[in-house]
Amino acid sequence: GAVVSQHPSWVICKSGTSVKIECRSLDFQATTMFWYRQFPKQSLMLMATSNEGSKATYEQGVEKDKFLINHASLTLSTLTVTSAHPEDSSFYICSARDHGQALADTEAFFGQGTRLTVV
Amino acid sequence: GQNIDQPTEMTATEGAIVQINCTYQTSGFNGLFWYQQHAGEAPTFLSYNVLDGLEEKGRFSSFLSRSKGYSYLLLKELQMKDSASYLCAATDSNYQLIWGAGTKLIIKP
Repeated sequence: GAVVSQHPSWVICKSGTSVKIECRSLDFQATTMFWYRQFPKQSLMLMATSNEGSKATYEQGVEKDKFLINHASLTLSTLTVTSAHPEDSSFYICSARDHGQALADTEAFFGQGTRLTVV
Repeated sequence: GQNIDQPTEMTATEGAIVQINCTYQTSGFNGLFWYQQHAGEAPTFLSYNVLDGLEEKGRFSSFLSRSKGYSYLLLKELQMKDSASYLCAATDSNYQLIWGAGTKLIIKP
């Protein structure tokens, strides 16, 4: 099946620094990728939808200036957490759907996730 | 509003059968997914239903009733490795995935 690669798997950073997370679709083109955040024992929460070649669409309550999303190609989207704080510590997951197939029944392929710890 | 409900936690015995229910309310409907998520890992796809009825895949089966806004995931011959969270997600009219909070399944020997 299709593969989505997310990097890094985990990162520890100091408060106030920025962290970039990459999400790549390895064997399909994804015009749209999704970024989720998951706190312990909670469900996935959609942060933003990343559209290739255009601005990302952010969910209500998600600061677009803090979570910068760039989707420069059909296979790569990046999420940069700027000026990270301890409350940003979470599990960040990207997913993509293969838009070469029918949209409705296309499963979302997930990256491995990135465990971010801000100290 | 859009809403997905599923039980928070369930416990079952190794070798037994367990059914995890999911009810949904969405703006339009274009199918329902079930995903499995082990702790600290990303979700993995289990099934997709868009028509009423039962879809069987080995030990796992998924059922959908569109008129009732209801689905269930049935796991047979439970194994310890099935201990995980099971996420129900419905696709709305914009093909957006609306996620449930997940059901943590605990398997006991």
